[in-house]
Amino acid sequence: AQSVSQHNHHVILSEAASLELGCNYSYGGTVNLFWYVQYPGQHLQLLLKYFSGDPLVKGIKGFEAEFIKSKFSFNLRKPSVQWSDTAEYFCAVRLNRDDKIIFGKGTRLHILP
Amino acid sequence: SAVISQKPSRDICQRGTSLTIQCQVDSQVTMMFWYRQQPGQSLTLIATANQGSEATYESGFVIDKFPISRPNLTFSTLTVSNMSPEDSSIYLCSVETAPGEQYFGPGTRLTVT
Repeated sequence: AQSVSQHNHHVILSEAASLELGCNYSYGGTVNLFWYVQYPGQHLQLLLKYFSGDPLVKGIKGFEAEFIKSKFSFNLRKPSVQWSDTAEYFCAVRLNRDDKIIFGKGTRLHILP
Repeated sequence: SAVISQKPSRDICQRGTSLTIQCQVDSQVTMMFWYRQQPGQSLTLIATANQGSEATYESGFVIDKFPISRPNLTFSTLTVSNMSPEDSSIYLCSVETAPGEQYFGPGTRLTVT
């Protein structure tokens, strides 16, 4: 069955540190890739998405993600995190032939002020 | 985009009872989804609800346990029937306004005692 793996369950960083959250998926066909974020007390919201084209995708709030097809990966990055980036981040995959989105287990990011 | 509200926001229910969760969207949408998020787990799709047709359930979820209604393009309900403590979870509805772009409600936190 198709799955999404997020390697880091809980990450703690200081402000201004660089961030990279890993995400790998298991499906050999065409996929759409997403990162969702849930800030404390808020709804889950879309951070960025990849459908096709440039594998380096830029999202809101300075986040970016790179799709590496050969590695089945879609890692999320931010060069300098802020305290307000404290949230839970979910990687998600949608098979191109399907409607449903498969989510990873999420990574809790805690930024120390 | 879409703004989604859910009722109730949380509830504590006794084993064997049922709870109906409402999901209201501020615009007309074709596809609505119901998810479950158990503690420490990823979001798991329960079913897809399209207006005018029967809901499509994912493996492991059945209509008798999770009946869904979709009477119009802005509203849906999910009932959790004959509840047990294993049903304690956050239940989320979402809508898709563009391919792969889902907007989520705030969730309903259910505790079954």
